[in-house]
Amino acid sequence: NAGVTQTPKFRVLKTGQSMTLLCAQDMNHEYMYWYRQDPGMGLRLIHYSVGEGTTAKGEVPDGYNVSRLKKQNFLLGLESAAPSQTSVYFCASRGASNEQFFGPGTRLTVL
Amino acid sequence: EDQVTQSPEALRLQEGESSSLNCSYTVSGLRGLFWYRQDPGKGPEFLFTLYSAGEEKEKERLKATLTKKESFLHITAPKPEDSATYLCAVQVISSGSARQLTFGSGTQLTVLP
Repeated sequence: NAGVTQTPKFRVLKTGQSMTLLCAQDMNHEYMYWYRQDPGMGLRLIHYSVGEGTTAKGEVPDGYNVSRLKKQNFLLGLESAAPSQTSVYFCASRGASNEQFFGPGTRLTVL
Repeated sequence: EDQVTQSPEALRLQEGESSSLNCSYTVSGLRGLFWYRQDPGKGPEFLFTLYSAGEEKEKERLKATLTKKESFLHITAPKPEDSATYLCAVQVISSGSARQLTFGSGTQLTVLP
């Protein structure tokens, strides 16, 4: 099992550009989450999904959109990137035993 | 508002020097408290879940404990490979089936040989 994978690993954008981050899990988990991690602030929840076709807002959803068209994939979109969105983005999925499993992260820089 | 505070922010230990990391929390109703380990450039790796005051969990040199206000991660005779950032997170009852986690900002542990 690959667990949770994320693509790309690194990306540099210019202000105003758009991009999509892809998260995939092969554990048949229903619940998936997107976080951002910034120095000194810990992990903060952006959006989450409780199953295929569902999404919900987390703590810091502004400037992001998500889609969960297939159970194994959870996409995070930035329509018009801003320097404040420079961060490391982590995807996670949750299994029956309640713990979340994290991907390796995407490091995004917005110039 | 749910809050999680970890201390210290950074800790340097000599190999074999035991110590404890603290995670204090203020929540409306605790469902569970989670400990994760994060190595540089990687995603958090699950260590423990604690559900009720008085509960303890152990894994190798690590032992996690829980009270009604805080959790401790005790590290006994640490080795350099224990160097990492340790994250604490809470899951509250009001989060429903979504069971989101609220994270602290972490303790960066360095174990010197």
